Parts: sequence; C-alpha cells; structure tokens
Amino acid sequence: DAKTTQPTSMDCAEGRAANLPCNHSTISGNEYVYWYRQIHSQGPQYIIHGLKNNETNEMASLIITEDRKSSTLILPHATLRDTAVYYCIVKRDNYGQNFVFGPGTRLSVLP
Amino acid sequence: KAGVTQTPRYLIKTRGQQVTLSCSPISGHRSVSWYQQTPGQGLQFLFEYFSETQRNKGNFPGRFSGRQFSNSRSEMNVSTLELGDSALYLCASSLELARNEQFFGPGTRLTVL
Repeated sequence: DAKTTQPTSMDCAEGRAANLPCNHSTISGNEYVYWYRQIHSQGPQYIIHGLKNNETNEMASLIITEDRKSSTLILPHATLRDTAVYYCIVKRDNYGQNFVFGPGTRLSVLP
Repeated sequence: KAGVTQTPRYLIKTRGQQVTLSCSPISGHRSVSWYQQTPGQGLQFLFEYFSETQRNKGNFPGRFSGRQFSNSRSEMNVSTLELGDSALYLCASSLELARNEQFFGPGTRLTVL
C-alpha cells in the first residue's frame, strides 16, 4: 500500500472550513484514499473514502486531484468537537481491513 | 444499534503473565480487526478475523494471538507479557472483508508492570 505524508499539526478557527492535505504520490490505480480521525481517548472514527472522484457525506468532503497524487479532506464548518488527529490512509480496497495508520495530522479547532 | 464493545476497559498485569481481551462487534458485522496503539509506534494492525478464520496478520510476535467465534465475537491473547506490551488495544468491526469502513471500539488499556 502507498505511503502518505501529512502535516504534523494544523489550527483552524471555529466555524471556518478546515482543509487537511495528504500527499500520496506513489498511489496506484487500485488504491483508495481513506480518512479516519481519532478524538482523544476514543477509538478512531471513519470519515470518508474515495477512489478518484470527489466524495461528500454528512461529515466531510474529499477532494482527490486528477493525478490522484494528493487529496484534501474538508470539514466545512469546524467545531471544537472536530479537534482530533486525522489519518489519511491509502489502501487496496479489495481485501481486508488491515489499515496502516501513520502519525496523522493533529487538528486543533480554536474558539 | 449498539457499537463495538470491548472488555475489560482497563487491565493491569505483571511481566510474564498472560492476558485475554474480548471484543463484541456491531450486530451483523462479520469482520473483526485488532490494533495496538502506543505513543511511540502509533496505531499498528495486529490481525483480522472473518468467519472464524484469521485473514490478515500484522508484524507481531507469536505471543499475540486471537480467535473469532461463530457469533463473530473475538478474543485476543497475549502470553508472557512484556513491559512494551503496555498499550491501548483497539478492536474494530466491519460488515465484510472488503470495501467497508471499520467501526472502532473504545479500547482496552493494558498496563504491564
């Protein structure tokens, strides 16, 4: 599975959009981009995933560049409860749930 | 629908002992995965079970083992505990093996003294 690179930390003002980047320049054609987050002292929470088209759900939007070498997770109106570590994971989505979590991005939403 | 439950939530053991952790997946979920989370190594995949069979295994020594029962509940066992096994052990369930998000439980915090 391809390796991902994320900023170590980011700040965002409450009510503003949080844009979390992820670089996955070695991604191959059958690999999906997944995003999870982990709020302090809780288990990780699935946010969204996609292959090449942009995706949106009730939590967030995922924008994947045309060459698929990078993506951005967008939280449209960040709240204090969105403060968490966000993990971008690239995985072949054909078998298994053996996700490889990197260090992620620590997002702090500030009042 | 109830979420993933893990028992116990906290556990203290001494070196050399063994421990068994339990995970009950979301009703209807058939795949259960286990992860270890430590400050130094982050979240690391241990193994995954589906239909009572281990389908994937991470890079952990044989002291770490698991099993899944016919009702999809899973247990993991760590024998001959070492200080470095102190960690948060997370269980996650998903509907099937492929193309489904995982739902994580709250974890079991294991401390080895």
